[in-house]
Amino acid sequence: DAKTTQPPSMDCAEGRAANLPCNHSTISGNEYVYWYRQIHSQGPQYIIHGLKNNETNEMASLIITEDRKSSTLILPHATLRDTAVYYCIVRVPLDSGYALNFGKGTSLLVTP
Amino acid sequence: KAGVTQTPRYLIKTRGQQVTLSCSPISGHRSVSWYQQTPGQGLQFLFEYFSETQRNKGNFPGRFSGRQFSNSRSEMNVSTLELGDSALYLCASSLGTIQETQYFGPGTRLLVL
Repeated sequence: DAKTTQPPSMDCAEGRAANLPCNHSTISGNEYVYWYRQIHSQGPQYIIHGLKNNETNEMASLIITEDRKSSTLILPHATLRDTAVYYCIVRVPLDSGYALNFGKGTSLLVTP
Repeated sequence: KAGVTQTPRYLIKTRGQQVTLSCSPISGHRSVSWYQQTPGQGLQFLFEYFSETQRNKGNFPGRFSGRQFSNSRSEMNVSTLELGDSALYLCASSLGTIQETQYFGPGTRLLVL
């Protein structure tokens, strides 16, 4: 299973871009990178996912390096409500279906 | 569309008892996965059900079991509760094909005394 490495914590000023890095150097060619976030004691919220190309949706942008060994989640204009634990996950393929292997994530604190 | 719902939201049990948790997936979703979250172990995969069959299983003892009904609703059961079973239990639903995204419910917080 491909493992991910994320910094344990980061700070970001409100209104600035938050750039959350993730290392997944052992990712295989058919594994997707997923990002979820969890606000205290709530269920994880899906943010975005990608395979090779950069992706953007209404919440965030995902930049994946050409060699796919790392990625960055970008929240373009962070707000206080973006304070959460952010998980970078490489989807673990099973016989059919898949499980999400959550690590420890990055605790992002957005400050006024 | 309504999101994933879980009942009850909070539960207190004593050691040795058993508990059943319920999860209603997003309409049209056929896959339901269960996860356990504790401060020490983080979020861990329990099992996944698809079309009423357990399709995948994590590394948990047999005291943890589940089932899925024809309407895709799922229940998870834990027998002979231990103090270490105190956790937030989360379920996630998806359409069920290999490419689909999982969407999580709010969780059931179980406290075992």
